[in-house]
Amino acid sequence: DIQMTQSPSSLSASVGDRVTITCRASQSISSYLNWYQQKPGKAPKLLIYAASSLQSGVPSRFSGSGSGTDFTLTISSLQPEDFATYYCQQSYSTPGTFGPGTKVDIK
Amino acid sequence: QVQLVQSGAEVKKPGSSVKVSCKASGGTFSSYAISWVRQAPGQGLEWMGGIIPIFGTANYAQKFQGRVTITADESTSTAYMELSSLRSEDTAVYYCARGGYYYDSSGTLTYNWFDPWGQGTLVTVSS
Repeated sequence: DIQMTQSPSSLSASVGDRVTITCRASQSISSYLNWYQQKPGKAPKLLIYAASSLQSGVPSRFSGSGSGTDFTLTISSLQPEDFATYYCQQSYSTPGTFGPGTKVDIK
Repeated sequence: QVQLVQSGAEVKKPGSSVKVSCKASGGTFSSYAISWVRQAPGQGLEWMGGIIPIFGTANYAQKFQGRVTITADESTSTAYMELSSLRSEDTAVYYCARGGYYYDSSGTLTYNWFDPWGQGTLVTVSS
């Protein structure tokens, strides 16, 4: 199985901050990388698919980049509703493995 | 806009089985993949397996092979996940999620991103 890692595991930020989360795959996954946001007690929500495509309805402050093994999720200006845990997931091969998550909380 | 609604919380004894349902409404069911992903308390997300209803054949993560059975009923737009030989470590929230699929260069079926997700079903395994 392809292993996914994320850094940092958690971060504290203020409203308006630019936030970057990194995801790394154990082998090249081309652009088969997706990002999800999960709030406590809720199901994950798809933000970005195919590394850089914004899911319909997701605010444009979210963006994704990368290919191969290294990927980033950027929130250009953090909003109060963005405090959550973010997961990357590879869809290059089955099983589609997830990263361990990055928790973004209020500074 | 498709919506996935799952069955309610379950409390099970070790060694027993649980069957969780996931009903789709408001959109296409059969031609997409339905996956099951679980999340243990305070932990991350783990793909268990999936099915493409029009094909009828399920795929499972090796970890769950032999213990999980995923099925789909096209007539009711409902998918099911049954997990047997339950142990305390199976205590988790179980999610269904719809998504696409594709065949890679070697012809292997691969599940794509997951959207939307069901609301989750808490399964508690306790004696």
